[in-house]
Amino acid sequence: KQEVTQIPAALSVPEGENLVLNCSFTDSAIYNLQWFRQDPGKGLTSLLLIQSSQREQTSGRLNASLDKSSGRSTLYIAASQPGDSATYLCAVSGNTPLVFGKGTRLSVIA
Amino acid sequence: GAVVSQHPSWVICKSGTSVKIECRSLDFQATTMFWYRQFPKQSLMLMATSNEGSKATYEQGVEKDKFLINHASLTLSTLTVTSAHPEDSSFYICSARDDQGAPYEQYFGPGTRLTVT
Repeated sequence: KQEVTQIPAALSVPEGENLVLNCSFTDSAIYNLQWFRQDPGKGLTSLLLIQSSQREQTSGRLNASLDKSSGRSTLYIAASQPGDSATYLCAVSGNTPLVFGKGTRLSVIA
Repeated sequence: GAVVSQHPSWVICKSGTSVKIECRSLDFQATTMFWYRQFPKQSLMLMATSNEGSKATYEQGVEKDKFLINHASLTLSTLTVTSAHPEDSSFYICSARDDQGAPYEQYFGPGTRLTVT
């Protein structure tokens, strides 16, 4: 059974810092890995999707990498801003629907 | 990008009543739809998977007679919470996927917050 772990559970950084969020998964037979953002009381916003054949994806200040063989992904956020404060969820799909990690709660302090 | 809508966005109901939540894919055909539940400060937990015209497949521990799922068309799935109780209060999020080809991305609705009093 696929399990997804995200570290750290919470992170607080000053504005302007670069930061890395980590995600690991137990079954490397995946189709996709996605990173989502969730604001309190809101739904999910898809940030990046990496297909199993890809190594990384970039969107603006966000860069996500995937090492399928080791079961790891990282989300790099450059020059963090207070508006980046949210919970970031990692999820993987294989022969199953998306399985989510518990998320990393990010606070960017102005 | 693909859009998934949910209705209602929030609902309050009395204990013992039933509530229906609709999930629609607006600009693509959703071969497969998923229903997730999220409790406060918890992650999303898959409740069930449904394919158009077929019975839903429920995850272990999810009562199929309590959470009725109907996937009547390629653009509509409904979740009915029957005889709701306060412990059913949660954030319900649907997701839809077009299985025609890669990357088999799941698109998510904005969620429905259910409060049972």
